[in-house]
Amino acid sequence: AQRVTQPEKLLSVFKGAPVELKCNYSYSGSPELFWYVQYSRQRLQLLLRHISRESIKGFTADLNKGETSFHLKKPFAQEEDSAMYYCALRPGRRALTFGSGTRLQVQP
Amino acid sequence: NAGVTQTPKFQVLKTGQSMTLQCAQDMNHEYMSWYRQDPGMGLRLIHYSVGAGITDQGEVPNGYNVSRSTTEDFPLRLLSAAPSQTSVYFCASSSSTSTQYFGPGTRLTVL
Repeated sequence: AQRVTQPEKLLSVFKGAPVELKCNYSYSGSPELFWYVQYSRQRLQLLLRHISRESIKGFTADLNKGETSFHLKKPFAQEEDSAMYYCALRPGRRALTFGSGTRLQVQP
Repeated sequence: NAGVTQTPKFQVLKTGQSMTLQCAQDMNHEYMSWYRQDPGMGLRLIHYSVGAGITDQGEVPNGYNVSRSTTEDFPLRLLSAAPSQTSVYFCASSSSTSTQYFGPGTRLTVL
């Protein structure tokens, strides 16, 4: 069965510092991987998907199949980046499997 | 185009009561899912559907029923509510090529 692990419950950084939110996965096939963001009391929104290889709001994520990781990075954190971030995997055509989430707190 | 809608936004139930959480989408998506969100546990899949008339269990299906009689609607039924079902419930939909779009959530408290 597939599994997504986000080892950090909380990541606190200062404004302007680099950010890396870790995500590791286990899945026997070729998964689709995503990062979702949830701002306070709002619905989840897609931030990135690995197949599009784009940068959204300054965030990037690279799929490393050797390390089975899909870490989310941003070189300079902004206060408005404070939110819950979820890494998710879609195995085949099934629904998403989510990690437990990391709360990013960007302090002024 | 309203996307994914959920009703109600908030609900308080007593133990043993039943209720249905509604979910609808207007994007003609074939895939629909229900998740529950609990602190420290992320989102866990309850049930999902790959098309009208087809449903399957997710990670935490016990105590919940679903049906998919139309493409648009995917209601979630709590048969006999328990305090352990206190959570925020999210419905999502997608097509075979798109990512999942989420509804605004239903905050349920079971006393």
